[in-house]
Amino acid sequence: NAGVTQTPKFQVLKTGQSMTLQCAQDMNHEYMSWYRQDPGMGLRLIHYSVGAGITDQGEVPNGYNVSRSTTEDFPLRLLSAAPSQTSVYFCASSFTARSGNTIYFGEGSWLTVV
Amino acid sequence: EDQVTQSPEALRLQEGESSSLNCSYTVSGLRGLFWYRQDPGKGPEFLFTLYSAGEEKEKERLKATLTKKESFLHITAPKPEDSATYLCAVQAEGDSGGGADGLTFGKGTHLIIQP
Repeated sequence: NAGVTQTPKFQVLKTGQSMTLQCAQDMNHEYMSWYRQDPGMGLRLIHYSVGAGITDQGEVPNGYNVSRSTTEDFPLRLLSAAPSQTSVYFCASSFTARSGNTIYFGEGSWLTVV
Repeated sequence: EDQVTQSPEALRLQEGESSSLNCSYTVSGLRGLFWYRQDPGKGPEFLFTLYSAGEEKEKERLKATLTKKESFLHITAPKPEDSATYLCAVQAEGDSGGGADGLTFGKGTHLIIQP
């Protein structure tokens, strides 16, 4: 998982609070994305970006916001945290937004909303 | 809608006992099928990408194969360090609801290799 760095590793939020999960990659990758992983479910795509200044929604975007001001960084914002957003969040990146490029994942951020 | 189904959900093997994990998929057009390994508390670690039916790839004790409807991850003479959850994912042509170049994942197979 070298190259994709996520912070924080663990976070506990109260319902209604906002926070930002940070993601940075040092591989000059164009494509970056956020997934969430819940017990009994596969990883699901939240938002993605094909380059600086370009973002789009994935499968489960509600309650999350993203921006891509630089190639390196792709933060995920929780606007008003809800218990349903308790999950493990993974940031991922690949060289370009073209088919078959290997997608590398970060180590994950464990979020609990109480 | 793209779908990925992995079986079995869990598999317990003795060290040295070979077996196969299955990944069945439904996708409008396959760009690539990915296998990842995930250890507890870690992010998915890339293993293989397969692009077309008939393709095979190997890495140490692992061999991945692909047909038009499914992929197999064969594990030969496994060791305890092969214990992990193995994830299968597909990347579809076009924007099929998962976002351009987004991956659709299966739920994974939890593999335990006993010494």
